[in-house]
Amino acid sequence: GAVVSQHPSRVICKSGTSVKIECRSLDFQATTMFWYRQFPKQSLMLMATSNEGSKATYEQGVEKDKFLINHASLTLSTLTVTSAHPEDSSFYICSAGRSGGPDNEQFFGPGTRLTVL
Amino acid sequence: AQSVTQLDSHVSVSEGTPVLLRCNYSSSYSPSLFWYVQHPNKGLQLLLKYTSAATLVKGINGFEAEFKKSETSFHLTKPSAHMSDAAEYFCVVSWDRYGNKLVFGAGTILRVKS
Repeated sequence: GAVVSQHPSRVICKSGTSVKIECRSLDFQATTMFWYRQFPKQSLMLMATSNEGSKATYEQGVEKDKFLINHASLTLSTLTVTSAHPEDSSFYICSAGRSGGPDNEQFFGPGTRLTVL
Repeated sequence: AQSVTQLDSHVSVSEGTPVLLRCNYSSSYSPSLFWYVQHPNKGLQLLLKYTSAATLVKGINGFEAEFKKSETSFHLTKPSAHMSDAAEYFCVVSWDRYGNKLVFGAGTILRVKS
């Protein structure tokens, strides 16, 4: 149990286009989902926290208009990278906290590798 | 501010020998500490967590970690490495009291030689 999927696993896009990444909790409900990015040879950095039915909370330095997050249901959160540029190329990972589960356990998706040409 | 340092970017051991992955943290609060493992093309999996109960924490697959406040360390150990343990390991500290905001170390890649 507690499986989180991401789609797509890899995406290549042209500069200036927008890309949407989906994060789904497959067998549990997730009140809270988190989005991270990981640059090569660096650790994961939290970008934002999304709560179902409310606006996401962004970490300092993360542009909310650039990285649009929607958490429309208890099993789905989406991250849209708008007007992508090569510097947005990164590995994006989501995690989900299980509703009613123990505090501070997050279940991670396998990640999405974004390459912007 | 909370941070975590993994002292080795790569560790190589022979199958059947002990594993030691080192982690030091700094935290303004009593931290929650975690170890996650990531196998290729798979999501991060929680190995174990410390949340101010017993200082020696046992996790899955024979791993354990000891919280040492005086040394601000949370090293991960396993008595005998298995080939399937080859993966990347992340030491993580939470920086809010609910444990939602995780701060990751840079990761340690464990290689197991046959």
